[in-house]
Amino acid sequence: DQQVKQNSPSLSVQEGRISILNCDYTNSMFDYFLWYKKYPAEGPTFLISISSIKDKNEDGRFTVFLNKSAKHLSLHIVPSQPGDSAVYFCAASASGNTPLVFGKGTRLSVIA
Amino acid sequence: DTAVSQTPKYLVTQMGNDKSIKCEQNLGHDTMYWYKQDSKKFLKIMFSYNNKELIINETVPNRFSPKSPDKAHLNLHINSLELGDSAVYFCASRGIGWGKQETQYFGPGTRLLVL
Repeated sequence: DQQVKQNSPSLSVQEGRISILNCDYTNSMFDYFLWYKKYPAEGPTFLISISSIKDKNEDGRFTVFLNKSAKHLSLHIVPSQPGDSAVYFCAASASGNTPLVFGKGTRLSVIA
Repeated sequence: DTAVSQTPKYLVTQMGNDKSIKCEQNLGHDTMYWYKQDSKKFLKIMFSYNNKELIINETVPNRFSPKSPDKAHLNLHINSLELGDSAVYFCASRGIGWGKQETQYFGPGTRLLVL
């Protein structure tokens, strides 16, 4: 039973345009959400996070939106750059010392 | 400065062997984890240690035994390796402080191939 779902295995975007990566979750106990970026042969790198008390968090070109009623979050990258090409993992956790639950990832390709 | 490091990066071994993977973090974190990324690319938690004590042990065969000599290290020992153990194993440690308490920082991964 997947508690965190990334339904798009891949996404292709032109350089300079907006990339939108989506994530859905089922566990209403989740209150902290993160996005990780992963290059081949490297570990996941923390990108941006959002607490359930917020609906938006912005960090430079990266913005995460959270819609709690829909149990949906999205990562916006604008403008997209070729160096953004990687696999992006959505992750969620509940309060306390609970492990992260990851989605399956979305491979983003930014075409120059 | 490497925050979370793992050795070895690649490990190729025969079925039935015993092997260890080491992990070290220099972030001063209290909590460390082992994750397994299988062929379907899911990242799944295996173990979690807080200040050298085991706090989470997911459904993992008891051939896998984590060991934490101190809070900066969490090693993974695997006995009697099987073909299905082939995967990428990631170590992680957890950030502290408000707003960062759930952020985990990952090592580069150990690619294990069992022949």
